[in-house]
Amino acid sequence: AQKITQTQPGMFVQEKEAVTLDCTYDTSDPSYGLFWYKQPSSGEMIFLIYQGSYDQQNATEGRYSLNFQKARKSANLVISASQLGDSAMYFCAMREMNRDDKIIFGKGTRLHILP
Amino acid sequence: EAQVTQNPRYLITVTGKKLTVTCSQNMNHEYMSWYRQDPGLGLRQIYYSMNVEVTDKGDVPEGYKVSRKEKRNFPLILESPSPNQTSLYFCASSLLGEANQPQHFGDGTRLSIL
Repeated sequence: AQKITQTQPGMFVQEKEAVTLDCTYDTSDPSYGLFWYKQPSSGEMIFLIYQGSYDQQNATEGRYSLNFQKARKSANLVISASQLGDSAMYFCAMREMNRDDKIIFGKGTRLHILP
Repeated sequence: EAQVTQNPRYLITVTGKKLTVTCSQNMNHEYMSWYRQDPGLGLRQIYYSMNVEVTDKGDVPEGYKVSRKEKRNFPLILESPSPNQTSLYFCASSLLGEANQPQHFGDGTRLSIL
């Protein structure tokens, strides 16, 4: 069974709109971290935001925020006021601290921002 | 500058010809990992290492070898490459035991096996 599920292979969003990228995860490890990475067309992996399993508040980093719903095991990325430069592939990842720090990635969501 | 350096960035080679992709990091990270990225499959972990002389299989280790003789280096070896190993490969590193530490990625190596 997939441990990280990103159900949206692709999304098209109008510039300046907010966008939510979905991520659900599955783990029995009580200690874990959730990450979002951006991969533009140039190919590099860019770290965006982190949420820890024990964090009480949702993480925010500039225009990025993470809607963390622990009971539902979801960690959706919200990008506010989208820009053309946000067009990229986005990956959700989970790090399980009691399983050798193993890190698992989802299959990604390709986001297209329309002018 | 903190970085993960992979070489080569691009390689076209033929089936069966042994190749090595080097990976080096200058951040004194314990944890290093190799991934392959294929369309529709995301990043899949090939091997990872939690410290010198400690390596373990990821989800897709078949056809690959790794070694960790020094903390900074984690080469990926394809002893007898085959066309199904054509992919984009990433090396990454991070601190161990720190849940909030993101992985630092190299720029990727695009391998084509003919």
